[in-house]
Amino acid sequence: QKEVEQDPGPLSVPEGAIVSLNCTYSNSAFQYFMWYRQYSRKGPELLMYTYSSGNKEDGRFTAQVDKSSKYISLFIRDSQPSDSATYLCAMRRGSARQLTFGSGTQLTVLP
Amino acid sequence: EAQVTQNPRYLITVTGKKLTVTCSQNMNHEYMSWYRQDPGLGLRQIYYSMNVEVTDKGDVPEGYKVSRKEKRNFPLILESPSPNQTSLYFCASSLLPYTDTQYFGPGTRLTVL
Repeated sequence: QKEVEQDPGPLSVPEGAIVSLNCTYSNSAFQYFMWYRQYSRKGPELLMYTYSSGNKEDGRFTAQVDKSSKYISLFIRDSQPSDSATYLCAMRRGSARQLTFGSGTQLTVLP
Repeated sequence: EAQVTQNPRYLITVTGKKLTVTCSQNMNHEYMSWYRQDPGLGLRQIYYSMNVEVTDKGDVPEGYKVSRKEKRNFPLILESPSPNQTSLYFCASSLLPYTDTQYFGPGTRLTVL
């Protein structure tokens, strides 16, 4: 079983929809949680970063961490065609030097 | 412009022919790493380097070598490539080892026939 599970999609939504992307994990030692966005033929770029449980908002994006359920989410409000990309969750144990990535969810926002 | 560069971007080679993929960053970052990305498996770390002359294995190091002789460069070496190393490779760097903001290069698509 993978340490981090992510539904690969693909997910298609109309412009303006609220998008929910999720990851589950099995290792309760993970403390740092990230979402990376990867456009086609590009490297991933950090989108959101959270520490431990709670919510973090940045513009149209909200990252949510529920450590009791070992579940993290990324919400995108008022989705735009420019949000079309693959979204990768990533997480790290406290003092670890490595990130563990999910396999990514491919999102398409239709105009 | 702050960036991570990789070369080549695309490479087709044959089994057993040694190759090197270069990676360079201009941000004076201490930490650099190499990942491979495969469908359904996500990004898996091959090797990482905490600083010059300090390297360590990631999750999938078999068949790869790295070196860090200069802070800005972190080449990935495949001494004897095999078809199962066909993949999309990314180099990444970050200011410090525990910094989660990693900056990724544009990727190198390698095909081993």
